[in-house]
Amino acid sequence: GAGVSQSPSNKVTEKGKDVELRCDPISGHTALYWYRQSLGQGLEFLIYFQGNSAPDKSGLPSDRFSAERTGGSVSTLTIQRTQQEDSAVYLCASRRDRERLPLHFGNGTRLTVT
Amino acid sequence: GNSVTQMEGPVTLSEEAFLTINCTYTATGYPSLFWYVQYPGEGLQLLLKATKADDKGSNKGFEATYRKETTSFHLEKGSVQVSDSAVYFCALSGSGGSNYKLTFGKGTLLTVNP
Repeated sequence: GAGVSQSPSNKVTEKGKDVELRCDPISGHTALYWYRQSLGQGLEFLIYFQGNSAPDKSGLPSDRFSAERTGGSVSTLTIQRTQQEDSAVYLCASRRDRERLPLHFGNGTRLTVT
Repeated sequence: GNSVTQMEGPVTLSEEAFLTINCTYTATGYPSLFWYVQYPGEGLQLLLKATKADDKGSNKGFEATYRKETTSFHLEKGSVQVSDSAVYFCALSGSGGSNYKLTFGKGTLLTVNP
């Protein structure tokens, strides 16, 4: 596609439920990132993929958070047993490789945990 | 580790006013520096970048100069428009082994009134 696509654009879930957020990066982009944008917190790095492997998972806030990437393309971020503090906008970004090219961002998934 | 500090908002200006958003950074080596912009309801877009000291990035009337001696990358525009209303993020990409990761500031909300 023309850009990074994320789905759903909005997700409302009840506390304790699991959610899956999807990211389709730009075709040919080997590097993929997940960030979390919370009010007043800016952008918080979660995880980085190079191909299907994740050499840096240091930003995942707890073991309730996990992510995978298959076929060097689509990535899924899963949050288990959601909590209210998980409410945020989850942004996906990709770039052709890990070098100094700019990141291309999707429009994000706004997650609200009630 | 790397960090970015940008002036807190919100910033409210009248159309045609001069804009400065301050950004300073802490990093080892020779990072690349970026300004991203997020318009309402959209994902982040690269506004401008600079990859080495004394470089000036520019786009859409915005400018920022990479100042290694003051570790700064302040964003400026001589005459803002209502359409510039958005959130602006300063970011850096580390050098060497950490060059895959972008570290962002917390963002500055700019509102331009007619």
